[in-house]
Amino acid sequence: AQSVTQLGSHVSVSEGALVLLRCNYSSSVPPYLFWYVQYPNQGLQLLLKYTTGATLVKGINGFEAEFKKSETSFHLTKPSAHMSDAAEYFCAVSVNDYKLSFGAGTTVTVRA
Amino acid sequence: DGGITQSPKYLFRKEGQNVTLSCEQNLNHDAMYWYRQDPGQGLRLIYYSQIVNDFQKGDIAEGYSVSREKKESFPLTVTSAQKNPTAFYLCASSRTGGIDTQYFGPGTRLTVL
Repeated sequence: AQSVTQLGSHVSVSEGALVLLRCNYSSSVPPYLFWYVQYPNQGLQLLLKYTTGATLVKGINGFEAEFKKSETSFHLTKPSAHMSDAAEYFCAVSVNDYKLSFGAGTTVTVRA
Repeated sequence: DGGITQSPKYLFRKEGQNVTLSCEQNLNHDAMYWYRQDPGQGLRLIYYSQIVNDFQKGDIAEGYSVSREKKESFPLTVTSAQKNPTAFYLCASSRTGGIDTQYFGPGTRLTVL
């Protein structure tokens, strides 16, 4: 069975600083990987996803993630944090039809 | 506008009562899902449906029931058998399944008193 581990339940960054959210997965077959963002009391919005092909994936709002098979990782980055990036971020993996397995989430706070 | 609607936004029920959460989508998606979200635990799959009149249990189906009589609708009933029903419930849909992006509704926060 596949699973996802997000390292760090809370991350605090200064406005303008690099945002780095870590995600490691376990899967016996090539995975499909996703990052979602959730603002308070709202649903989830897709930031980006990796299926096949280029390992560096660019998403919305300036985020990108790199799939590293050798490290079983799919870390999310943004070069310069904005106040509007304060939210909870979820990494998810899918290896079969229909089922997504989510990590526990990382809450990002942005300091002015 | 296409999207997923969930109603109500907030729901309060007394212990021992069944309650039904609504989920409607106008995206013409075949697949629909229900997730439960608890603090620090991410999202856990309750039920999913690949097509009308068919659905499968997810990881935490005990105490829940669903129906899929129409493509657009996938209501979730939280029964009195669910031991800890207070949570944030999210409905999602995707065009088919697998790698298709799942689109989420705004959620329903259920509080059982």
